[in-house]
Amino acid sequence: DTEVTQTPKHLVMGMTNKKSLKCEQHMGHRAMYWYKQKAKKPPELMFVYSYEKLSINESVPSRFSPECPNSSLLNLHLHALQPEDSALYLCASSQVGLGNRVFSGANVLTFGAGSRLTVL
Amino acid sequence: SQQGEEDPQALSIQEGENATMNCSYKTSINNLQWYRQNSGRGLVHLILIRSNEREKHSGRLRVTLDTSKKSSSLLITASRAADTASYFCATANNAGNMLTFGGGTRLMVKP
Repeated sequence: DTEVTQTPKHLVMGMTNKKSLKCEQHMGHRAMYWYKQKAKKPPELMFVYSYEKLSINESVPSRFSPECPNSSLLNLHLHALQPEDSALYLCASSQVGLGNRVFSGANVLTFGAGSRLTVL
Repeated sequence: SQQGEEDPQALSIQEGENATMNCSYKTSINNLQWYRQNSGRGLVHLILIRSNEREKHSGRLRVTLDTSKKSSSLLITASRAADTASYFCATANNAGNMLTFGGGTRLMVKP
């Protein structure tokens, strides 16, 4: 299995709702990432989990709450979002975790297809 | 934060022509990668070039890297309508474990 699977593909939520985005990979990758992407912009890193521990939080507002239940799963819990949070949310994984001086190429990212979030 | 700057931001060519996209970056790198993204979809890794390499080929793709100028280029030869997508460069830090994406080039190949 060489895929990263994201659900749901589309999500529409109100500003008072609580919802979650889910991501799953079975490649044995030890780092998992959440990116946010606005239209015609590059992906922006939000969080990195390395060996199931939160390693990087790029100053993301607390209304986004990541969770890594195990090495294959990554969730992004959403609460009290704003309309400007509407975007494509991309999950990715890479072979090795952070903090290791890795051989070149081990940090190639495998992306999911994304979850398109609309906040009304 | 965005490390790479890509140009052009948008490129429109006819099928069969070659497409060249450029990427410049600011800090020293372990490697540089190119990714492709079809509209509204996830990114797909295309090719990686290490900091000690100058050129690499993969099918119709040719990537060059000039570390003295901190720049890279991606050449797609004999383009096809199916090559229409956004192309992003991404630079890996010296430890090789973090990627930062450039702004992207939107390529349109007209049949």
